[in-house]
Amino acid sequence: GAVVSQHPSRVICKSGTSVKIECRSLDFQATTMFWYRQFPKQSLMLMATSNEGSKATYEQGVEKDKFLINHASLTLSTLTVTSAHPEDSSFYICSAIRAGTGGWNEQFFGPGTRLTVL
Amino acid sequence: AQKVTQAQTEISVVEKEDVTLDCVYETRDTTYYLFWYKQPPSGELVFLIRRNSFDEQNEISGRYSWNFQKSTSSFNFTITASQVVDSAVYFCALRLNRDDKIIFGKGTRLHILP
Repeated sequence: GAVVSQHPSRVICKSGTSVKIECRSLDFQATTMFWYRQFPKQSLMLMATSNEGSKATYEQGVEKDKFLINHASLTLSTLTVTSAHPEDSSFYICSAIRAGTGGWNEQFFGPGTRLTVL
Repeated sequence: AQKVTQAQTEISVVEKEDVTLDCVYETRDTTYYLFWYKQPPSGELVFLIRRNSFDEQNEISGRYSWNFQKSTSSFNFTITASQVVDSAVYFCALRLNRDDKIIFGKGTRLHILP
């Protein structure tokens, strides 16, 4: 199956710093990627839809100035958590869409990035 | 609005018992897809199954089986002869045909006790 990677897998940072998380589709081109956030013992919540070459679309309640998304190429989307605070500590998961035949677009998830803000 | 409900927050069973995880979904769309994912402690989502709204056939894969009933908007997942390695959080999810967004249920944390 297709592979989606995330880097880093784990990051610890001080409050007030910015953290960049990368999501890469390793063996296919992804015009669309999604970013999810998962707090401990909770479900995955969609944060935003990242489209190559255009601005991301954010879900209601997600601060676009706080969570900057850049989808500069067909294989890379980045999520930058700006001025991170302890409440931003979470598990961030990306997914990438691989266009398929017959109208079905397969979605592949990355392994996730665990962010801890001290 | 679309919604996925997993009423069971946490289940514990003894190894070798059968266990069923419930999932009820809501959508007015006629074309959609349902999924089950497993999330072990590592956090990485493991895809288990996809079903489209036009295929109500039940599916069996080894010890896993799924029962899809449109009449009750349910897509239940049964593990037969459970094993300790089945311990994980299981998510039921819904995806509409008109976009690629996946809506997850809150998950069921399954503990298989040795």
